[in-house]
Amino acid sequence: NAGVTQTPKFQVLKTGQSMTLQCAQDMNHEYMSWYRQDPGMGLRLIHYSVGAGITDQGEVPNGYNVSRSTTEDFPLRLLSAAPSQTSVYFCASSWDNSGTGILFFGSGTQLSVL
Amino acid sequence: GENVEQHPSTLSVQEGDSAVIKCTYSDSASNYFPWYKQELGKRPQLIIDIRSNVGEKKDQRIAVTLNKTAKHFSLHITETQPEDSAVYFCAASKGGSQGNLIFGKGTKLSVKP
Repeated sequence: NAGVTQTPKFQVLKTGQSMTLQCAQDMNHEYMSWYRQDPGMGLRLIHYSVGAGITDQGEVPNGYNVSRSTTEDFPLRLLSAAPSQTSVYFCASSWDNSGTGILFFGSGTQLSVL
Repeated sequence: GENVEQHPSTLSVQEGDSAVIKCTYSDSASNYFPWYKQELGKRPQLIIDIRSNVGEKKDQRIAVTLNKTAKHFSLHITETQPEDSAVYFCAASKGGSQGNLIFGKGTKLSVKP
């Protein structure tokens, strides 16, 4: 049972480049989300989805796009990378759409934007 | 907007002592309060949670208390061990929305042998 799988684990981008962070889960969870973690800032919600075809913005959505074409996959796209997007990104999923279920996190993607 | 304040930001204790981490929240509609532990270089993992209809919950050496009137909740770790060293995050559900948790900024706990 793989759980939540994120790729890549590490990525270095130049300012202005675009890329997609991949997230997949094999637990049939309806809820999926993306967080960024910065030193001293905790975990901040970027975007989330409560099911295929449904996405919504979190606390810090600017500069990021998401889509949810299947239950399993929830990719995060950086359209034009900026140094302020240097962070560790975590994907998380849950069986509960109400916000009151356990979040299962992926192993994270460490992104550096130069 | 909704906010979760967590204190202290760092905490150092001797092995065997107790550790207490406190959080306050602003959204009176919050009804779910989980705690996550993140070891260095690892992913956050749930260690305990509490819902608004309960005042206290215990699981072996860890316990969480909730005071809804005062809008604060706390994590208590007794008989601390070096493997308890990690960053701990509290969170509160965002009232009225689906699928959102607001996290505190974290507490780095160091347990010295």
